[in-house]
Amino acid sequence: SYVLTQPPSVSVAPGQTARITCGGNNIGSKSVHWYQQKPGQAPVLVVYDDSDRPSGIPERFSGSNSGNTATLTISRVEAGDEADYYCQVWDSSSAQGVFGGGTKLTVL
Amino acid sequence: EVQLVESGGGLVQPGGSLRLSCAASGFTFSSYWMHWVRQAPGKGLVWVSRINSDGSSTSYADSVKGRFTISRDNAKNTLYLQMNSLRAEDTAVYYCARDPEDYGDYAQFDYWGQGTLVTVSS
Repeated sequence: SYVLTQPPSVSVAPGQTARITCGGNNIGSKSVHWYQQKPGQAPVLVVYDDSDRPSGIPERFSGSNSGNTATLTISRVEAGDEADYYCQVWDSSSAQGVFGGGTKLTVL
Repeated sequence: EVQLVESGGGLVQPGGSLRLSCAASGFTFSSYWMHWVRQAPGKGLVWVSRINSDGSSTSYADSVKGRFTISRDNAKNTLYLQMNSLRAEDTAVYYCARDPEDYGDYAQFDYWGQGTLVTVSS
């Protein structure tokens, strides 16, 4: 089955840029989506189709996808961005959804 | 406003059964593919199952195949997950989620419910 690999944690100071990676075999050929989840809350879609933002999501959130790595970039990080972030794809070979293990973003 | 409200969670013994429901409102439910995603306490998100808009096509994670059944009633705007032969490792918050696209080789979750907790324990 298809595996997505994320770093368990990323730390960044306020105002700096956070980059969260999602590794997978030839992930550049798939559509990658990113979700933000704060404690006790349901996940929220923050980036879809590699780099598009749903309405209401700040422009500070962006994404890219190429080769074996997709990246969620959060610019000018704020305290309110502290959360768990998950990447997700659809694995057509198994007809199953796949999530990365999640990355805890800490704002120092 | 799109709303998804799960219900039906609770405490069940190993080997038991439970049926989860997800009531949808604020959009044309019958036009959307729907999913169930779960999250064990303190763990990450795990995709569970998917159903197409008219209920004719379903997919399951290997871990639940043969034990769980996803279904929908478009007249009632409700999604279901029938869970049989439950195990301790099925303990999780179960979320229903809407997929904004309607083709099979793709999945994205643009709206989520608040989740319902299923605890499997003796």
